[in-house]
Amino acid sequence: ETGVTQTPRHLVMGMTNKKSLKCEQHLGHNAMYWYKQSAKKPLELMFVYNFKEQTENNSVPSRFSPECPNSSHLFLHLHTLQPEDSALYLCASSPDRMGGGTEAFFGQGTRLTVV
Amino acid sequence: QKEVEQNSGPLSVPEGAIASLNCTYSDRGSQSFFWYRQYSGKSPELIMSIYSNGDKEDGRFTAQLNKASQYVSLLIRDSQPSDSATYLCAVPTLMDSSYKLIFGSGTRLLVRP
Repeated sequence: ETGVTQTPRHLVMGMTNKKSLKCEQHLGHNAMYWYKQSAKKPLELMFVYNFKEQTENNSVPSRFSPECPNSSHLFLHLHTLQPEDSALYLCASSPDRMGGGTEAFFGQGTRLTVV
Repeated sequence: QKEVEQNSGPLSVPEGAIASLNCTYSDRGSQSFFWYRQYSGKSPELIMSIYSNGDKEDGRFTAQLNKASQYVSLLIRDSQPSDSATYLCAVPTLMDSSYKLIFGSGTRLLVRP
């Protein structure tokens, strides 16, 4: 158990569906992140929230919409995805925004398949 | 130039040998460096962090940092088949006036019984 919990673990959705990924951290951290991991590619940072405020959006398409209602919960709302969006989506948290020295702790990930 | 570079491997070593994993980074201002281990189908797990030049040992793992050469490595002594995984180097990197934790593409390690 990592202290960062993601649900669901697996998700298959059609291109016209709307779904949401959920992340919850029990570590008392202030910053939360969404990463995307595609096959044979490095982890890609998608969104960063620090104290519930979005501080980064790395040119992510608008079909991905994050939501952070509080420091412990993070959502990623998905709509009209494309097959190339199929990937492992990882949530992470850190004590604060990743400045000089704070490491990130990851959830188990959601394996997303878009059909 | 990629911010964090790793050889993708696979690096194949016999059981009991020393595995040496290397990483270079581009941001000279980076102050902290992390190694994550990721088993197939699982999420990354933090195994080592290092902040100062030199060596840091934790059990069978030793992280080595050389800031002048912008180089960080991970040594695994007495490698076990259970060490077979992808090892990710991660460096907080200043990009667009803020720090982002940038990962290398990972090195796949295979430990042969």
